[in-house]
Amino acid sequence: AQSVTQLGSHVSVSEGALVLLRCNYSSSVPPYLFWYVQYPNQGLQLLLKYTTGATLVKGINGFEAEFKKSETSFHLTKPSAHMSDAAEYFCAVSEADNAGNMLTFGGGTRLMVKP
Amino acid sequence: EAGVVQSPRYKIIEKKQPVAFWCNPISGHNTLYWYLQNLGQGPELLIRYENEEAVDDSQLPKDRFSAERLKGVDSTLKIQPAELGDSAVYLCASSYQNRGLFFGPGTRLTVL
Repeated sequence: AQSVTQLGSHVSVSEGALVLLRCNYSSSVPPYLFWYVQYPNQGLQLLLKYTTGATLVKGINGFEAEFKKSETSFHLTKPSAHMSDAAEYFCAVSEADNAGNMLTFGGGTRLMVKP
Repeated sequence: EAGVVQSPRYKIIEKKQPVAFWCNPISGHNTLYWYLQNLGQGPELLIRYENEEAVDDSQLPKDRFSAERLKGVDSTLKIQPAELGDSAVYLCASSYQNRGLFFGPGTRLTVL
């Protein structure tokens, strides 16, 4: 069984400030990890994913995430927030042996960016 | 490349009425998923198809929900009869091999 916990359902930052969205997972097998972004009234868009190899993963829009096995974490960061980053962000986990196609999502974190 | 298409985008019905949602996946994507997203929560899998076969429907409430993907391409999700608690966004996604899931915009259902 696998699960995802996103700490903080709402995060507010000022424009230009560091963005840090937290994600912890549990999985009985090596995980694939994902971050998705959802803008209002839209579907989920893949930001980045970790499968194997380098633990620091870079995604679109300047976001990156680091897989830390010892901490079972996959936190999402961006050095400088932009107003257009305001959205809902979902962390998801999948078991590597099903090719990353069976996702379990966290509850989401709504990011608000203040001018 | 066209994305995942869903219709309608919005649907308002009264309780006990039937409702159907349609999804057309990305061309060539053999795996299709229906997810339920309640307000303020992450998506939860309802059913997954590999081509025309439902390979995981353990979370689908079969007393009122049904789904089909007859020709292994587009799919329909039906609720009959709808209940107040079914108000949510219904997301369709598709994938090919291990290239990740691509989501449609969803159908927002309101049951009055």
